[in-house]
Amino acid sequence: GAVVSQHPSRVICKSGTSVKIECRSLDFQATTMFWYRQFPKQSLMLMATSNEGSKATYEQGVEKDKFLINHASLTLSTLTVTSAHPEDSSFYICSASREPGLLISEPYENTQYFGPGTRLTVL
Amino acid sequence: GQQVMQIPQYQHVQEGEDFTTYCNSSTTLSNIQWYKQRPGGHPVFLIQLVKSGEVKKQKRLTFQFGEAKKNSSLHITATQTTDVGTYFCAGGTGANNLFFGTGTRLTVIP
Repeated sequence: GAVVSQHPSRVICKSGTSVKIECRSLDFQATTMFWYRQFPKQSLMLMATSNEGSKATYEQGVEKDKFLINHASLTLSTLTVTSAHPEDSSFYICSASREPGLLISEPYENTQYFGPGTRLTVL
Repeated sequence: GQQVMQIPQYQHVQEGEDFTTYCNSSTTLSNIQWYKQRPGGHPVFLIQLVKSGEVKKQKRLTFQFGEAKKNSSLHITATQTTDVGTYFCAGGTGANNLFFGTGTRLTVIP
């Protein structure tokens, strides 16, 4: 269990266009979803945290009008990169966490399950 | 602010040699998690440690949480080529957020 999908896996777009990335938890309800950005050979950089039905919390330095996050349901969050520019090219990864499970084998709270990532290239 | 540092940044080992990565937090953590990211892949959860001084093992991997709950280590015995990847620690502070370490990129030379 705890599978997270992301779509699309790769996208190439022209400068100035907007790109929407979807993140879905397939077999569990995600209380919180996270969006990360990862530059080549670097660590994950948290962009924002979103809870279903409420506004996302953006990390310092992340433009909320540039990176629109919608968390419409407990299984879906979307990240829209608006008016994309070449410097927005990156690997975007979402993750989802859930309430601690009832099984002893379940991980504790705040374990994050990651999607496969979306590689965005802006020309 | 919260910072989680990892050392070394890179490590090249001969297959069969041991490997250790260290994680240090600027503040006390409620738990520490470890993730592995294969080249071109996404982070995959390995384990979580919660108790002070806790040690957990997964086959050749040994995870340790410091007594002060501010540092952790991952030790791999007799590395194999399948161990290649970047290992991230992530510190939890009780809320939902995790603070990811800078990662250690492991290369195993056959």
